[in-house]
Amino acid sequence: QQPVQSPQAVILREGEDAVINCSSSKALYSVHWYRQKHGEAPVFLMILLKGGEQKGHEKISASFNEKKQQSSLYLTASQLSYSGTYFCGTEPDSWGKLQFGAGTQVVVTP
Amino acid sequence: DAGITQSPRHKVTETGTPVTLRCHQTENHRYMYWYRQDPGHGLRLIHYSYGVKDTDKGEVSDGYSVSRSKTEDFLLTLESATSSQTSVYFCAIKGQTYEQYFGPGTRLTVT
Repeated sequence: QQPVQSPQAVILREGEDAVINCSSSKALYSVHWYRQKHGEAPVFLMILLKGGEQKGHEKISASFNEKKQQSSLYLTASQLSYSGTYFCGTEPDSWGKLQFGAGTQVVVTP
Repeated sequence: DAGITQSPRHKVTETGTPVTLRCHQTENHRYMYWYRQDPGHGLRLIHYSYGVKDTDKGEVSDGYSVSRSKTEDFLLTLESATSSQTSVYFCAIKGQTYEQYFGPGTRLTVT
C-alpha cells in the first residue's frame, strides 16, 4: 500500500513557504524524498531514518515522526528552481524496496 | 549522476513482442532496481537485485523478468509486451547511505 501524500499540488510565489506531508500505514525504516522535473529522472533530496531526525538541504528540510509513520518536507523561502513534483518513498527495512507516494506538484511563480 | 545509463532511451514495439531494457552502472553498486512510472501512480518497484544472480520481485512484477549476470548490468525483459506495459521505466542504484540514484529512463510504447 503506497504512502499517501498531501497536498496533490501547491502554487507558491517566490519566497513563500510550503509543507508536503507523507503518511504510511506501515512501520517504516526510512523515508526518502525526491524531486522530479518534467521529462527528467527523480533526483534524491534526503533520507530520514527511523529515530525522528530532521535533515536539511539548502532551504529544504524534512522531519520524520516514527510513532505516527509520517514525514513532512518543508520548502522555505521558495525559489523558482524548487518547481517540480516531489515524491516521498518509504521502506519497511533497509533493502531499498521503496514504495512511492503519488507525488505533489509544486509550482513556484515569480 | 552515479554513472547510470539506460538503453534504449525510447522504444516503440508491438503487442506480443519481447522487449529487453538495459541498465548499466559503472560504480560497482550491489543493489539495483527497476521501477515503472505512470501518471497517478508515482513510481512502482518491478524487480530488484542485491547481487550477481540475486534478484527478487517487487510490487508489480507480473509480466516482467530480470537478469543480472554482471555487477554492472541489470536487464529487464517483457516476455510478451502488452499495452498496459506502456510506461516510463527507471533503473536505480542504492548508494552507500541508502539513498537511490536514478538513471535517465526509457520511454516504452506498446502499440
